[in-house]
Amino acid sequence: AQSVTQLDSQVPVFEEAPVELRCNYSSSVSVYLFWYVQYPNQGLQLLLKYLSGSTLVESINGFEAEFNKSQTSFHLRKPSVHISDTAEYFCAVIPRAGGTSYGKLTFGQGTILTVHP
Amino acid sequence: DAGVTQSPTHLIKTRGQQVTLRCSPKSGHDTVSWYQQALGQGPQFIFQYYEEEERQRGNFPDRFSGHQFPNYSSELNVNALLLGDSALYLCASSRNSYEQYFGPGTRLTVT
Repeated sequence: AQSVTQLDSQVPVFEEAPVELRCNYSSSVSVYLFWYVQYPNQGLQLLLKYLSGSTLVESINGFEAEFNKSQTSFHLRKPSVHISDTAEYFCAVIPRAGGTSYGKLTFGQGTILTVHP
Repeated sequence: DAGVTQSPTHLIKTRGQQVTLRCSPKSGHDTVSWYQQALGQGPQFIFQYYEEEERQRGNFPDRFSGHQFPNYSSELNVNALLLGDSALYLCASSRNSYEQYFGPGTRLTVT
Protein backbone atom coordinates (compact mmCIF):
# COMPACT_ATOMS: atom_id res chain seq x y z
CA ALA A 1 0.00 0.00 0.00
CA GLN A 2 1.00 3.60 -0.47
CA SER A 3 0.59 6.69 1.70
CA VAL A 4 1.33 10.36 1.06
CA THR A 5 1.95 13.05 3.66
CA GLN A 6 1.84 16.72 2.82
CA LEU A 7 3.57 18.40 5.69
CA ASP A 8 1.81 21.76 5.52
CA SER A 9 -1.95 22.15 5.32
CA GLN A 10 -1.73 25.88 4.58
CA VAL A 11 1.11 28.02 3.21
CA PRO A 12 0.62 31.80 3.05
CA VAL A 13 3.21 33.80 1.07
CA PHE A 14 3.58 37.23 -0.46
CA GLU A 15 3.60 37.77 -4.20
CA GLU A 16 7.03 37.31 -5.83
CA ALA A 17 8.34 35.35 -2.83
CA PRO A 18 9.66 31.79 -3.22
CA VAL A 19 7.60 28.87 -1.97
CA GLU A 20 8.11 25.18 -1.19
CA LEU A 21 5.27 22.71 -0.65
CA ARG A 22 6.51 19.55 1.00
CA CYS A 23 5.48 15.99 0.16
CA ASN A 24 6.72 12.69 1.58
CA TYR A 25 5.50 9.27 0.57
CA SER A 26 5.69 5.67 1.70
CA SER A 27 5.47 2.66 -0.59
CA SER A 28 6.70 -0.92 -0.67
CA VAL A 29 6.98 -0.76 -4.48
CA SER A 30 8.36 1.75 -6.95
CA VAL A 31 5.97 4.57 -7.79
CA TYR A 32 5.36 7.37 -10.22
CA LEU A 33 4.84 10.78 -8.58
CA PHE A 34 2.56 13.67 -9.45
CA TRP A 35 1.51 17.12 -8.36
CA TYR A 36 -2.03 18.24 -9.12
CA VAL A 37 -3.51 21.71 -8.62
CA GLN A 38 -7.15 22.42 -7.78
CA TYR A 39 -8.64 25.89 -8.14
CA PRO A 40 -11.83 26.68 -6.19
CA ASN A 41 -14.87 24.71 -7.35
CA GLN A 42 -12.91 22.95 -10.07
CA GLY A 43 -11.44 19.52 -10.75
CA LEU A 44 -7.77 18.58 -10.55
CA GLN A 45 -5.23 19.69 -13.12
CA LEU A 46 -2.00 17.77 -13.63
CA LEU A 47 0.82 20.17 -12.79
CA LEU A 48 3.85 17.94 -13.23
CA LYS A 49 4.97 14.34 -13.05
CA TYR A 50 8.01 12.22 -12.35
CA LEU A 51 8.09 9.01 -14.36
CA SER A 52 11.81 8.35 -14.92
CA GLY A 53 15.04 10.06 -15.89
CA SER A 54 16.10 13.39 -14.40
CA THR A 55 14.90 13.74 -10.83
CA LEU A 56 14.11 17.42 -11.38
CA VAL A 57 10.91 18.02 -13.32
CA GLU A 58 9.41 21.33 -14.38
CA SER A 59 5.98 22.65 -15.33
CA ILE A 60 5.18 25.23 -17.99
CA ASN A 61 4.22 27.86 -15.39
CA GLY A 62 7.45 27.90 -13.41
CA PHE A 63 6.91 25.20 -10.80
CA GLU A 64 9.48 22.47 -10.30
CA ALA A 65 9.69 19.35 -8.17
CA GLU A 66 12.59 17.12 -7.25
CA PHE A 67 12.28 13.41 -6.61
CA ASN A 68 14.51 12.29 -3.75
CA LYS A 69 14.41 8.51 -3.50
CA SER A 70 16.50 8.22 -0.35
CA GLN A 71 14.25 10.66 1.53
CA THR A 72 11.09 9.46 -0.27
CA SER A 73 10.17 13.06 -0.98
CA PHE A 74 8.82 15.03 -3.93
CA HIS A 75 8.74 18.68 -2.83
CA LEU A 76 7.21 21.34 -5.08
CA ARG A 77 8.95 24.69 -5.47
CA LYS A 78 8.53 27.97 -7.28
CA PRO A 79 11.10 30.78 -7.07
CA SER A 80 8.56 33.61 -7.45
CA VAL A 81 4.81 33.15 -6.97
CA HIS A 82 1.93 35.12 -8.47
CA ILE A 83 -1.52 35.88 -7.12
CA SER A 84 -2.89 33.45 -9.72
CA ASP A 85 -1.00 30.56 -8.07
CA THR A 86 -3.46 30.68 -5.17
CA ALA A 87 -5.00 27.20 -5.12
CA GLU A 88 -4.87 23.84 -3.38
CA TYR A 89 -2.03 21.53 -4.36
CA PHE A 90 -2.10 17.74 -4.07
CA CYS A 91 0.81 15.35 -4.17
CA ALA A 92 -0.01 11.85 -5.42
CA VAL A 93 1.70 8.53 -6.14
CA ILE A 94 0.77 5.45 -8.15
CA PRO A 95 2.52 2.06 -8.38
CA ARG A 96 4.63 1.60 -11.47
CA ALA A 97 3.18 -1.78 -12.42
CA GLY A 98 1.06 -4.67 -11.22
CA GLY A 99 -0.10 -5.46 -7.73
CA THR A 100 -3.30 -4.79 -5.91
CA SER A 101 -2.90 -1.02 -6.09
CA TYR A 102 -2.17 -0.81 -9.81
CA GLY A 103 -3.97 2.14 -11.35
CA LYS A 104 -4.87 3.63 -7.97
CA LEU A 105 -3.67 7.17 -7.31
CA THR A 106 -3.05 7.82 -3.61
CA PHE A 107 -3.27 11.49 -2.66
CA GLY A 108 -2.04 13.57 0.20
CA GLN A 109 -4.40 15.78 2.20
CA GLY A 110 -3.57 18.83 0.16
CA THR A 111 -1.77 22.14 0.81
CA ILE A 112 -3.65 25.40 0.38
CA LEU A 113 -1.29 27.99 -1.09
CA THR A 114 -2.47 31.57 -0.58
CA VAL A 115 -0.51 34.32 -2.31
CA HIS A 116 -0.99 37.78 -0.81
CA PRO A 117 -0.31 41.05 -2.68
CA ASP B 1 -9.74 18.25 -28.17
CA ALA B 2 -12.31 17.96 -25.40
CA GLY B 3 -11.01 16.94 -22.05
CA VAL B 4 -12.78 14.77 -19.51
CA THR B 5 -16.42 15.78 -19.11
CA GLN B 6 -18.80 14.96 -16.27
CA SER B 7 -22.50 15.40 -15.73
CA PRO B 8 -24.35 16.72 -13.91
CA THR B 9 -22.34 19.54 -12.33
CA HIS B 10 -24.37 19.60 -9.15
CA LEU B 11 -26.91 17.23 -7.66
CA ILE B 12 -29.04 17.26 -4.53
CA LYS B 13 -30.50 14.00 -3.27
CA THR B 14 -32.28 12.75 -0.16
CA ARG B 15 -31.01 9.99 2.13
CA GLY B 16 -31.94 6.55 0.84
CA GLN B 17 -32.19 7.61 -2.78
CA GLN B 18 -30.03 6.38 -5.63
CA VAL B 19 -27.85 8.51 -7.92
CA THR B 20 -26.06 8.05 -11.26
CA LEU B 21 -23.10 10.18 -12.30
CA ARG B 22 -21.67 10.19 -15.82
CA CYS B 23 -18.22 10.64 -17.31
CA SER B 24 -16.85 10.90 -20.83
CA PRO B 25 -13.10 10.33 -21.10
CA LYS B 26 -10.58 12.38 -22.98
CA SER B 27 -10.24 11.41 -26.63
CA GLY B 28 -7.89 8.45 -27.05
CA HIS B 29 -8.24 7.30 -23.43
CA ASP B 30 -9.66 3.86 -22.64
CA THR B 31 -9.45 3.71 -18.83
CA VAL B 32 -11.74 5.52 -16.41
CA SER B 33 -11.24 5.91 -12.66
CA TRP B 34 -13.59 7.40 -10.09
CA TYR B 35 -12.59 9.28 -6.93
CA GLN B 36 -14.52 10.75 -4.01
CA GLN B 37 -13.27 14.02 -2.53
CA ALA B 38 -14.86 14.97 0.77
CA LEU B 39 -14.63 18.58 1.88
CA GLY B 40 -11.12 19.46 2.98
CA GLN B 41 -9.70 16.07 2.00
CA GLY B 42 -7.67 14.59 -0.81
CA PRO B 43 -9.46 12.43 -3.37
CA GLN B 44 -10.05 8.79 -2.44
CA PHE B 45 -10.00 6.06 -5.10
CA ILE B 46 -13.33 4.30 -5.64
CA PHE B 47 -12.67 2.04 -8.63
CA GLN B 48 -11.22 1.84 -12.13
CA TYR B 49 -12.75 0.50 -15.35
CA TYR B 50 -10.91 -0.87 -18.34
CA GLU B 51 -12.39 -2.84 -21.26
CA GLU B 52 -15.83 -2.55 -19.64
CA GLU B 53 -14.71 -4.36 -16.49
CA GLU B 54 -13.84 -3.21 -12.98
CA ARG B 55 -10.09 -3.65 -12.75
CA GLN B 56 -9.35 -2.16 -9.34
CA ARG B 57 -11.47 -1.20 -6.37
CA GLY B 58 -10.80 0.94 -3.31
CA ASN B 59 -12.29 0.62 0.16
CA PHE B 60 -15.84 1.56 -0.70
CA PRO B 61 -18.98 -0.47 0.07
CA ASP B 62 -20.97 -2.35 -2.54
CA ARG B 63 -23.45 0.53 -2.61
CA PHE B 64 -20.96 2.07 -5.00
CA SER B 65 -21.04 0.43 -8.42
CA GLY B 66 -20.07 1.38 -11.90
CA HIS B 67 -20.18 0.62 -15.55
CA GLN B 68 -18.10 1.30 -18.62
CA PHE B 69 -19.63 1.39 -22.08
CA PRO B 70 -18.06 0.32 -25.40
CA ASN B 71 -17.30 3.99 -26.20
CA TYR B 72 -15.25 4.11 -22.92
CA SER B 73 -17.69 6.44 -21.15
CA SER B 74 -18.59 5.45 -17.63
CA GLU B 75 -21.23 5.73 -14.93
CA LEU B 76 -20.95 5.73 -11.16
CA ASN B 77 -24.01 4.55 -9.26
CA VAL B 78 -24.55 5.00 -5.55
CA ASN B 79 -27.49 3.28 -3.84
CA ALA B 80 -29.09 3.97 -0.46
CA LEU B 81 -27.44 7.37 -0.14
CA LEU B 82 -26.08 8.44 3.25
CA LEU B 83 -25.33 11.94 4.47
CA GLY B 84 -21.65 10.96 4.43
CA ASP B 85 -21.79 10.40 0.67
CA SER B 86 -21.91 14.15 0.18
CA ALA B 87 -18.72 14.99 -1.71
CA LEU B 88 -17.18 16.01 -5.01
CA TYR B 89 -17.02 12.98 -7.30
CA LEU B 90 -14.18 13.11 -9.76
CA CYS B 91 -13.72 11.07 -12.89
CA ALA B 92 -10.26 10.60 -14.38
CA SER B 93 -9.30 9.07 -17.70
CA SER B 94 -6.02 7.66 -18.92
CA ARG B 95 -4.46 5.61 -21.68
CA ASN B 96 -1.95 3.85 -19.45
CA SER B 97 -3.58 3.84 -15.98
CA TYR B 98 -0.95 5.96 -14.28
CA GLU B 99 -1.14 9.35 -16.04
CA GLN B 100 -4.70 10.33 -15.16
CA TYR B 101 -6.54 13.46 -16.30
CA PHE B 102 -9.46 14.67 -14.24
CA GLY B 103 -12.83 16.13 -15.12
CA PRO B 104 -14.44 19.09 -13.32
CA GLY B 105 -16.35 16.82 -10.96
CA THR B 106 -19.94 16.41 -9.81
CA ARG B 107 -20.87 17.98 -6.48
CA LEU B 108 -23.32 15.66 -4.69
CA THR B 109 -25.22 16.90 -1.68
CA VAL B 110 -27.27 14.42 0.34
CA THR B 111 -29.88 15.92 2.66
